[in-house]
Amino acid sequence: DGGITQSPKYLFRKEGQNVTLSCEQNLNHDAMYWYRQDPGQGLRLIYYSQIVNDFQKGDIAEGYSVSREKKESFPLTVTSAQKNPTAFYLCASRLTGNTGELFFGEGSRLTVL
Amino acid sequence: GDSVTQMEGPVTLSEEAFLTINCTYTATGYPSLFWYVQYPGEGLQLLLKATKADDKGSNKGFEATYRKETTSFHLEKGSVQVSDSAVYFCALSVPSGNTGKLIFGQGTTLQVKP
Repeated sequence: DGGITQSPKYLFRKEGQNVTLSCEQNLNHDAMYWYRQDPGQGLRLIYYSQIVNDFQKGDIAEGYSVSREKKESFPLTVTSAQKNPTAFYLCASRLTGNTGELFFGEGSRLTVL
Repeated sequence: GDSVTQMEGPVTLSEEAFLTINCTYTATGYPSLFWYVQYPGEGLQLLLKATKADDKGSNKGFEATYRKETTSFHLEKGSVQVSDSAVYFCALSVPSGNTGKLIFGQGTTLQVKP
C-alpha cells in the first residue's frame, strides 16, 4: 500500500546530540513537509521541499536541517542548536497541483533527556 | 498574516449528542479549507475539505460549509460516537505561491462518553 513511513516512532536523545528522523513516501508525491506538534499549539512548519535538491525554511527552521536527495525521502536532522527539541514530529507529502491536501505519516516522538 | 482560530477544548459530549467545533480563518485570496482528525499517538488523517465558497465537505457523518462572508468552516456532526473521540484540526492552504503549505489551528480535543 502507498503511504508515508516515519522512523523511528520513539526516540530518546541526550542534550547536545544531533538526531535524524527518517521520512519515506511511495506515493510519487513531489512536495514534502515537516511539521512540529506541541500540546495545545497545533502544528508548525519546520521545512518543506517542492522538488528534489531544493527546500525552503518554514516558520520554525532554527536548529533543524533537511536534505532532499531523492524524491521519496526527506530526512530531518534535529541539531544540538534546537533549544527545545522534545516534541512530536510529523512528515507529510502532497502531489503538486492538487487541491492542497496533505498526507501525513504516523509521526516520531522525540524526547530529550 | 494567514491564520486559523479554533474553539478551545476539551469538548465533552455524551454519545449521540450534536457536535459543533467552531473554526474561523484569516487569509488573503481564496484558500482551500480542511478538517483533519488525529487519534492518540497517530498522525493526521484528512476528514473533509472544501475548495471554494459555499462548498460543503462531508465524510463519516461530519460536515462543514465554507462560508466566505463569515470566514468560517465550522465542523458539525449530528450524533457523535465514542469512537469519534480525537483531536480535530482546522487548516487552510496558503493561497499564494502554490507552496502547498497548510496553516493549522491549535486543535480541539473531543471526548465522547458512553
